[in-house]
Amino acid sequence: GAVVSQHPSWVICKSGTSVKIECRSLDFQATTMFWYRQFPKQSLMLMATSNEGSKATYEQGVEKDKFLINHASLTLSTLTVTSAHPEDSSFYICSASGLAGVTGELFFGEGSRLTVL
Amino acid sequence: GENVEQHPSTLSVQEGDSAVIKCTYSDSASNYFPWYKQELGKGPQLIIDIRSNVGEKKDQRIAVTLNKTAKHFSLHITETQPEDSAVYFCAAGQVIYNTDKLIFGTGTRLQVFP
Repeated sequence: GAVVSQHPSWVICKSGTSVKIECRSLDFQATTMFWYRQFPKQSLMLMATSNEGSKATYEQGVEKDKFLINHASLTLSTLTVTSAHPEDSSFYICSASGLAGVTGELFFGEGSRLTVL
Repeated sequence: GENVEQHPSTLSVQEGDSAVIKCTYSDSASNYFPWYKQELGKGPQLIIDIRSNVGEKKDQRIAVTLNKTAKHFSLHITETQPEDSAVYFCAAGQVIYNTDKLIFGTGTRLQVFP
């Protein structure tokens, strides 16, 4: 399958700082990328959908000013958690769609664990 | 919007036995139903998927069945092995061209005892 890479895999930051997480599709062009959030022992909750070159579409209840998403190229999307607080601590996972000839299949990154002190 | 329910939340089986995980979905427009395996600290890995024009799909020890009328689909793992132990998630979504907005089930923690 296709490869989606996330960086960093884990990050610890102080409350009030901003953290950027990168999601890259390494061997295909991702027309659409999705960002999910996962709390311990819980399911993946869709946060937003981003299409290359346009504004992200956020799910209900997700603060767009808190979680800034940029999808500037067909291989890179970034999620910035602004003014992070301890309650933002979570496992953030991106996925990408757009593999030519494989309609619908989603490939996930390895996730980024954010801990806010 | 779509709502996906998954059962059971935990499942323990003896090595060699079969394991079955069931999901139901609410949106009749959903036409893509993947299953993911997630190991601790890692992202989900696609193990099998099925589309609404197919009732059953098999890949070695793994099979998925879909009942569109009842809006439910199931994952079947035969001859389970300890390395099958993980959390399994079902998902449902509507595929339009190459985009997928997947809604995930709540997950099933499978433990396979040697």
